[in-house]
Amino acid sequence: GNSVTQMEGPVTLSEEAFLTINCTYTATGYPSLFWYVQYPGEGLQLLLKATKADDKGSNKGFEATYRKETTSFHLEKGSVQVSDSAVYFCALVGMDSSYKLIFGSGTRLLVRP
Amino acid sequence: NAGVMQNPRHLVRRRGQEARLRCSPMKGHSHVYWYRQLPEEGLKFMVYLQKENIIDESGMPKERFSAEFPKEGPSILRIQQVVRGDSAAYFCASSGTSGRLENEQYFGPGTRLTVT
Repeated sequence: GNSVTQMEGPVTLSEEAFLTINCTYTATGYPSLFWYVQYPGEGLQLLLKATKADDKGSNKGFEATYRKETTSFHLEKGSVQVSDSAVYFCALVGMDSSYKLIFGSGTRLLVRP
Repeated sequence: NAGVMQNPRHLVRRRGQEARLRCSPMKGHSHVYWYRQLPEEGLKFMVYLQKENIIDESGMPKERFSAEFPKEGPSILRIQQVVRGDSAAYFCASSGTSGRLENEQYFGPGTRLTVT
């Protein structure tokens, strides 16, 4: 079945450091891939998405590239801010469903001033 | 433009009681999804509803759990005879369509259920 694996946290960085959060997936065909962010006490917000191989999703300085050959969708940001502290979820929608989001377990990011 | 509303935000129930969670989708959205987040885990799909119809309940436990989305009013997730293992955050999401490429689900803030 479809699944998502992401690196365990917490990830602790200093402000302005480079961020990478790894995400790999298992799915047949070409799923749609997503990164969601959850700030403390809030619901999930869509951060970025990619729907086909080699697509790059980007938003608010975050980027992720859909790599079919490595079944990966790693999240990157060149310079993190304290306000980026949150839990980040990688997710997919498989080709067998148009709506069923399958989430990774989440990675908590803590950015220190 | 109000987002997805969920209430209550926090709910405490004793074992054996009923829990009723409400979700009002974004204005103009007719597709509602419920997800459950157990501690330290990702969200797991439970059920997908449209007005007056359950489209996919493949993620719902077979017993004690039910969901509805009536013609008028919010969607309701009902858990009867709660047990400690039901303690989790329950998130509702809504979308304007269910098409795979166009679908974007907007999430509410969640209801955190604690069973004592």
